[in-house]
Amino acid sequence: AQSVTQPDIHITVSEGASLELRCNYSYGATPYLFWYVQSPGQGLQLLLKYFSGDTLVQGIKGFEAEFKRSQSSFNLRKPSVHWSDAAEYFCAVSRGGNTPLVFGKGTRLSVIA
Amino acid sequence: NAGVTQTPKFQVLKTGQSMTLQCAQDMNHEYMSWYRQDPGMGLRLIHYSVGAGITDQGEVPNGYNVSRSTTEDFPLRLLSAAPSQTSVYFCASRRDLGWNEQFFGPGTRLTVL
Repeated sequence: AQSVTQPDIHITVSEGASLELRCNYSYGATPYLFWYVQSPGQGLQLLLKYFSGDTLVQGIKGFEAEFKRSQSSFNLRKPSVHWSDAAEYFCAVSRGGNTPLVFGKGTRLSVIA
Repeated sequence: NAGVTQTPKFQVLKTGQSMTLQCAQDMNHEYMSWYRQDPGMGLRLIHYSVGAGITDQGEVPNGYNVSRSTTEDFPLRLLSAAPSQTSVYFCASRRDLGWNEQFFGPGTRLTVL
């Protein structure tokens, strides 16, 4: 079965600094990969997704993620963090077809002035 | 489109009580699922459905029942509530293939005393 690991439980960055959130997956073939964001007290919103093609994918709110097959990673990046980016971020993986989406445990991002 | 709707938003139950969490979507999505979110645990899949009349268990199905009589609705039933079921519950839907974005409802916060 596929699994997702987000090694960082909590990250604090200064406003304007760059950000990288790590995600590693376990799955034999190329999975469908997703990043979701959850603002406090809200549901989840899709930031970006990857299945095939260009390994650098662009998402909403200025986020991007890079798929690295050799490292089984799909890290999320943003060049300059805004205070409104403070939220919880979830990496998720699917095997495709009608299979469920499996989530990592999330990384909470705090942004300081 | 209302998207994915969940009722109620908040609920307090006593141990042993039963209740149904409602979920509906108006996007004609075949695939629907229920997750629970607990601090530090991410989102864990309870049950999912790939279409009307078809349901399957996820990672944490014990204590919960589901049915899917229509495409639109996917209620989650707690048979005999336990304090361990205190959580935030999210319903989600997507078009059938795993590549597609999964849309989430706003969540139901359940407390079992």
